[in-house]
Amino acid sequence: DAGVIQSPRHEVTEMGQEVTLRCKPISGHNSLFWYRQTMMRGLELLIYFNNNVPIDDSGMPEDRFSAKMPNASFSTLKIQPSEPRDSAVYFCASSRGWGGGPYTGELFFGEGSRLTVL
Amino acid sequence: AQKVTQAQTEISVVEKEDVTLDCVYETRDTTYYLFWYKQPPSGELVFLIRRNSFDEQNEISGRYSWNFQKSTSSFNFTITASQVVDSAVYFCALSSNFGNEKLTFGTGTRLTIIP
Repeated sequence: DAGVIQSPRHEVTEMGQEVTLRCKPISGHNSLFWYRQTMMRGLELLIYFNNNVPIDDSGMPEDRFSAKMPNASFSTLKIQPSEPRDSAVYFCASSRGWGGGPYTGELFFGEGSRLTVL
Repeated sequence: AQKVTQAQTEISVVEKEDVTLDCVYETRDTTYYLFWYKQPPSGELVFLIRRNSFDEQNEISGRYSWNFQKSTSSFNFTITASQVVDSAVYFCALSSNFGNEKLTFGTGTRLTIIP
């Protein structure tokens, strides 16, 4: 089975530009997560969805960030306008979730999208 | 509030030595889950193990072993006979609140195995 697929792998943009990161979770997984990794703050959960519904978005830094999950096989994380402090690696992860069988808690991570905002 | 502390920022050992990575957690929940993830140089995070708060049995998987002690709120990870391929950043993580899958990660320990 294919793993979690993220695109783009690398993005370099200028401050003020809109950035859209994309994620395709593993087929059959009910939960999807967006994490951000930086040297200063480590791994932070931005938002997670269960059955396409946002469950916890307490980690979304501010209104410049938005995430959507229009269907079970696709999610986007958008930053508008982008700022240099948004530079980070953004990971998408999926899991079977509570309704997807015995709970394992195992998250399957994509390879990440490295964002650089100049 | 939940918190995971990995006090060891970086560790270097010579190949074939044993190494233990420390993890201390804080939670007010009585039911919780503890995890270890590995992040190799390629960047993706890979699940290694999950433990729930009701199961304090230590676990061994090949060269890896985990020591869970509720009394000290610790979930330590030992690699026996380390190999160069073990070089990675290792994260301890905590999940609680039944029904909420949010993982709180520690800051990670960068392990370097010297050939």
